Amino acid sequence: AQSVTQPDIHITVSEGASLELRCNYSYGATPYLFWYVQSPGQGLQLLLKYFSGDTLVQGIKGFEAEFKRSQSSFNLRKPSVHWSDAAEYFCAVEKAAGNKLTFGGGTRVLVKP
Amino acid sequence: GEEVAQTPKHLVRGEGQKAKLYCAPIKGHSYVFWYQQVLKNEFKFLISFQNENVFDETGMPKERFSAKCLPNSPCSLEIQATKLEDSAVYFCASSQSTAEGYTFGSGTRLTVV
Repeated sequence: AQSVTQPDIHITVSEGASLELRCNYSYGATPYLFWYVQSPGQGLQLLLKYFSGDTLVQGIKGFEAEFKRSQSSFNLRKPSVHWSDAAEYFCAVEKAAGNKLTFGGGTRVLVKP
Repeated sequence: GEEVAQTPKHLVRGEGQKAKLYCAPIKGHSYVFWYQQVLKNEFKFLISFQNENVFDETGMPKERFSAKCLPNSPCSLEIQATKLEDSAVYFCASSQSTAEGYTFGSGTRLTVV
């Protein structure tokens, strides 16, 4: 069975600093990979996705993620965080189109002024 | 429309009462998914539909949970006799048949007292 691990439960970062959120997955083949963001009391918003091709993926809100097959990782990055980036971030995998998503446990990002 | 509409936003039920949640997927999306998010942010897959047919129901506690997606009606998730542990936010998501990612609704918060 596939699994997704987000090793960091909480990350605190200063506004303007860079951010990197880690995601590792366990699956026999390369799944489809996603990052979602959830603000308090809100649903999930898709930041970016990887299906194939270029391993560096650009998303919305200035986020990017890099797929590394050798490390089974799909880490999310942002060069300079804004206070509005404070939220919960979820990495997810899908083994094939139309299949269910398997989520990581989430990383809560706090942004210091 | 371009959003997944979930109703109601909040639902309070006494233990043993029935709860029914609704989801209107985005027009043209073939797949509908239901997820349960419990307090520790864990997302649990419940069931998915391809059009009006059940695609994957491996996550459903079948003794009390049921779901439908009928033509020209919102999809529904029903809990026949709610228990305290059913308290959670229930998210609906829809996607097209190709791997475009999922659009999530804003969720229904169910509180069982």
